[in-house]
Formats: sequence, structure tokens, C-alpha cells
Amino acid sequence: DTAVSQTPKYLVTQMGNDKSIKCEQNLGHDTMYWYKQDSKKFLKIMFSYNNKELIINETVPNRFSPKSPDKAHLNLHINSLELGDSAVYFCASSQTTQYFGPGTRLLVL
Amino acid sequence: AQKITQTQPGMFVQEKEAVTLDCTYDTSDPSYGLFWYKQPSSGEMIFLIYQGSYDQQNATEGRYSLNFQKARKSANLVISASQLGDSAMYFCAMREGGNRDDKIIFGKGTRLHILP
Repeated sequence: DTAVSQTPKYLVTQMGNDKSIKCEQNLGHDTMYWYKQDSKKFLKIMFSYNNKELIINETVPNRFSPKSPDKAHLNLHINSLELGDSAVYFCASSQTTQYFGPGTRLLVL
Repeated sequence: AQKITQTQPGMFVQEKEAVTLDCTYDTSDPSYGLFWYKQPSSGEMIFLIYQGSYDQQNATEGRYSLNFQKARKSANLVISASQLGDSAMYFCAMREGGNRDDKIIFGKGTRLHILP
């Protein structure tokens, strides 16, 4: 059983496009997160939601908008994609320990 | 100031030897948690081990153990009897407090290479 799943796994798109990444967890956790991992492998938190409520919003451009329709889902929508948005985006969920999804590799051309 | 410091960007270790990956942390919160994650070349983040700040004993999970030295603020990961499959990037992470704002901060990672 997949605990935290993300789609798509790979996303290649042109600059200026709008794209979404979906995340779902079946662990019954209250809190979900989005992280960005850059080319140097540094992992930085972007957002967290607790039971559909935004808790953490870390100085992320407002082109990035998370949406949590219910506590099992946290989607990330990105408007007007830029070259610097190319990275791996990880979704995670936690009660105590954070469990990560497989990551979405975004390449902006 | 960095909250999580991993001083070894890369390490090479012979197969079957024990490995210690260093991690020091900085917090003034008495309640915190420390984590280690493994990221193999396939890219997924795999949770390895957790240590709570109030835990009396060092955490162990199979071949992984966490050498928790609270006074020194260090949480080194020890891998016993290393295997080729242990080659990966390893991240130390910390969560401060027990509130909903439970942000986890990651170190920059150590790339471990196990040599045959």
C-alpha cells in the first residue's frame, strides 16, 4: 500500500505555463507538507497544512498556491513557471515522523 | 546560523565496516525530535530513525543506531556492517517543539559511498 503518493512523477514544461502536482496520503495523518529539493540536494519546506488549515508558508513566491480539499490531499499549483522552479518537489505527511512521497521531478525549459 | 550541521559532504567506506555520519543541531527548545533520512539515487526519501529529546535511551532500528549526546547537541547516525545498498545521501533533520507548527529543518546531507 502506498502511504504518500504524488502525481506526476516527472513534469517537463515550458516557461510561463501553469502546472499542478497532486499529493495524497492514506496514513490518516493530520499534517501535510510540500518541500522543494534543489540541484544541490538541499531540502527546504515550502508549506504545511494541518487538517486543511495552512500552518507554514515559508517565503514562497505567490505563484505557488497549495490547496487542501481534505486532510488526505494537498495539491500544489504553480503559475507562470520559471526556469528556477526546476527542482524535485516532495510531499510529506506526519503525525510525529514525516513520511515522504516519491517526489515530482519538475523541469522547466 | 544553521540549525542542523552535517560536516561531511561525502564519505567513502569499505563494505562491512561500521559508518558514523555526523550531525550537530542547535535549538533552545527543550522539546525536539531528531530524524535521519536516506535518499538513494532513485530519489525517494526513506525514514530511518527517530530520537526524541526526552528519550533516555539511544534509538536503534536494525543496523541503524543514533548516538544521541544531548549536552553536545549531537545526533550521529551509526550504520553497522555497511552494505553496498547503503550508498546514498543521508539527511539529518530536527523538529522543534510539539505544536502544529512542527517544521522540520534538514541538514545539507552527507553522500555515503560504500566500496566493494
